[in-house]
Amino acid sequence: ETGVTQSPTHLIKTRGQQVTLRCSSQSGHNTVSWYQQALGQGPQFIFQYYREEENGRGNFPPRFSGLQFPNYSSELNVNALELDDSALYLCASSFESSGYEQYFGPGTRLTVT
Amino acid sequence: AQSVAQPEDQVNVAEGNPLTVKCTYSVSGNPYLFWYVQYPNRGLQFLLKYITGDNLVKGSYGFEAEFNKSQTSFHLKKPSALVSDSALYFCAVRDGPGSASKIIFGSGTRLSIRP
Repeated sequence: ETGVTQSPTHLIKTRGQQVTLRCSSQSGHNTVSWYQQALGQGPQFIFQYYREEENGRGNFPPRFSGLQFPNYSSELNVNALELDDSALYLCASSFESSGYEQYFGPGTRLTVT
Repeated sequence: AQSVAQPEDQVNVAEGNPLTVKCTYSVSGNPYLFWYVQYPNRGLQFLLKYITGDNLVKGSYGFEAEFNKSQTSFHLKKPSALVSDSALYFCAVRDGPGSASKIIFGSGTRLSIRP
């Protein structure tokens, strides 16, 4: 098991609602990335935070936003939920001196009805 | 733009036989290449990486991967498959060493090892 934790494990929301997902990085890691993994697909990069600033973003609309805190924990916020947002959301932490291999949390399964 | 292709959705191998899971990549600079494994209802686990150096990289659980620059490939291999190797495998590429570099995953290959 990695030292990366995510909460909650599962979540059910209604279309149009807002959701916040949380991630606690592995100790010493200053970079966190968030991914969306739909059933049967590879993880899709949402965005990345490095030392509390967003420094990379994938093809996701602005209603996907995030934060990284001084202790390097992180949040993913999704506004105006749509049915297609139903997926497994993964966070991964890393540190540049390690060659950027990422350590993933177990994920949050979001279901939008 | 960088990309990763895993041409096989599924690979079936008998236990004890060698296995290969294929991956090709496209990146503008020097690639940072990774393999991850995902078990059901779990996050991804890091297996191995290629940054520089020897083209044959050894990783966890007896897996290894061969970097081939001319063919832009990074195939995952194991000399003798175990039933417990059955899982979903992802190849990934990072487009550089900087903190702003991003990692792109392939679509995954389901490896099934039959007893």
